[in-house]
Amino acid sequence: EVQLLESGGGLAQPGGSLRLSCAASGLVSGGYVMTWVRQTPGKGLEWVSVISGNGDTTYYADSVKGRFTISRDSSKDTLYLQMNSLRAEDTAVYYCAKDGGTRRFDPWGQGTLVTVSS
Amino acid sequence: QSALTQPRSVSGSPGQSVTISCTGTSSDVGAYNYVSWYQQHPGKAPKLLIYDVNKRPSGVPDRFSGSKSGNTASLTISGLQAEDEADYYCCSYTVSHTAVFGGGTQLTVL
Repeated sequence: EVQLLESGGGLAQPGGSLRLSCAASGLVSGGYVMTWVRQTPGKGLEWVSVISGNGDTTYYADSVKGRFTISRDSSKDTLYLQMNSLRAEDTAVYYCAKDGGTRRFDPWGQGTLVTVSS
Repeated sequence: QSALTQPRSVSGSPGQSVTISCTGTSSDVGAYNYVSWYQQHPGKAPKLLIYDVNKRPSGVPDRFSGSKSGNTASLTISGLQAEDEADYYCCSYTVSHTAVFGGGTQLTVL
């Protein structure tokens, strides 16, 4: 059974940075496409970014492009999201998920809360 | 990328059927047969219900079904049960290789 566990969330100041991690276990082999999705408290889901199985290809939502960077360390089965120039509107629960390649997400992690506030 | 349009809420009685619509554009829903649906209970992570418009992952009851016509996809839940009360989100692959979610629909089982 594939399990995903996010970490790294917390409080950051506007303009600050945070790095989220997503540790994967139970994957028979690496190289899966992986995605980050966020959910503003009490609001809906927003897709953030995706990375290819070998890490060579990435895509971002316009709202985070140029500020966030997705990456992976296959040797550690870990996905990352480096978040710079944080804004109040980045406050959300961030989920990682395995991406079936056509933006279908299964399974999901339990999420990690990022709060951007002074 | 604008969010897909879903009704904010729907409701139905146990045993009835409800349908949730999800309207996009020719750059997302209408472009490919890559629409997925997610169920989210309060405080929980979303769960995949339907993918590729009408396919169900193993373990998802066949009471849940999906369809698409043009730029609008739909999720139908038949034989409503109390545990179906949750938020439902559609999601589509886009021509830019990104994804876009709907705003979410709150289902109330009366």
